[in-house]
Order: sequence, then C-alpha cells, then structure tokens
Amino acid sequence: LAKTTQPISMDSYEGQEVNITCSHNNIATNDYITWYQQFPSQGPRFIIQGYKTKVTNEVASLFIPADRKSSTLSLPRVSLSDTAVYYCLVGPIKAAGNKLTFGGGTRVLVKP
Amino acid sequence: DTAVSQTPKYLVTQMENDKSIKCEQNLGHDTMYWYKQDSKKFLKIMFSYNNKELIINETVPNRFSPKSPDKAHLNLHINSLELGDSAVYFCASSQEKAGGSGEQYFGPGTRLTVT
Repeated sequence: LAKTTQPISMDSYEGQEVNITCSHNNIATNDYITWYQQFPSQGPRFIIQGYKTKVTNEVASLFIPADRKSSTLSLPRVSLSDTAVYYCLVGPIKAAGNKLTFGGGTRVLVKP
Repeated sequence: DTAVSQTPKYLVTQMENDKSIKCEQNLGHDTMYWYKQDSKKFLKIMFSYNNKELIINETVPNRFSPKSPDKAHLNLHINSLELGDSAVYFCASSQEKAGGSGEQYFGPGTRLTVT
C-alpha cells in the first residue's frame, strides 16, 4: 500500500476551516484515498473517500489534484467536537490480502 | 443498535494469564478485523477473517489466536499475557473483502492492561 505522510498535529479555533494535507507520492492507479476520524477512547470512523478531483459530503470535503500525489481533507467551520486524530489511508477498494495501514495520523486540536 | 460491539471495554489482568475479547457485528458484513493500537496511537492490523476464513494474519505472536464461530463474530484469545500486550484492541468489519480500503466500521475498543 502507498505510504502516506501527514502533519503530526494542527491547532485551530472554533469556526475556522481546517485543511489537512496528506502526501502519497507512490499512489497506484487503482488506489483510493480514504480519511478516518478518531475521537479519544473511540474507534476510528470513516469520513470520506475519493479517487480524483473533489468529493464532498455533510462532514468534509476531499480535494485531490490531477497527479493524485497528495490530497487535502477540508473541515469547514470546525467546532470543539472536531478535536480528534485524522488518518489518511491509500489503497485499492478491493484487494484481498493487502493490509489497510493507518499511520500516526494528524492530531487536530480545536480551541475556543 | 450498536453496529460493532466489543466486550469487555476494559480488561486488567496479570502477566501469564489467558484472556479473551469478544466482537460482534450486526451489519451483515462478511469481513471482520482485529487491530492493535499502541500508546503512540499507531493502529496496526493483526488479523482479518472473511466469512469465517482467515485472510490476513500479520506477524503476531502465536499467543494470539482469533476465532470466528460465524461471520458475525470474531473473538481474540490471548495466552500467557505479557506486559507488551497492553494496548487498545479494536474490532472492525467491512463489506469489502479483507484488505481493501472499503469503509470499515470500528468497535469501541477494549483497553487491555497487563500488570
């Protein structure tokens, strides 16, 4: 699976937009980009997934440039409850035997 | 209804004991996983089962043995516990066959402390 690199931590304030960039220079043609959110003392939760350009849902947006070597998770108008660790993962949707690898993630702290 | 449930939530035990963690999913998924999250928050896959068949078996000590009585349950038995086994263990399930990056649903975790 493609290795990913993301910032260790980010601070923000309530109401601001938070953008987390993930680098995945070795992304393969059939790889998708997936983001998970993990609150303290809880399991990770799927946020968004995309292949190219832009994907938006009720929680976040995912921007993927044409070369797909990086992606940016955008959290609009964050609140205190968005404080969590955000993981970027890259891999094919269907790949029996491959291992979904979570890196260290990005700790986002939203301040009042 | 909880989609993926684990019991117990907390487990404190002494070294060399044997313990089990249970996991159940009511999502109708065919694939279930066990992950270990250490103190540095790295989440590493341990095992994966697809419809009761072992698909992924990472380099995990033989003391760890998963058991899947049916596709809705995946239990983790740990023999002769060691201090280094202390971690949070997460169960997860997905509709996609093991290994793909299709959406995975995680349980609340079991915090294991070995003293």
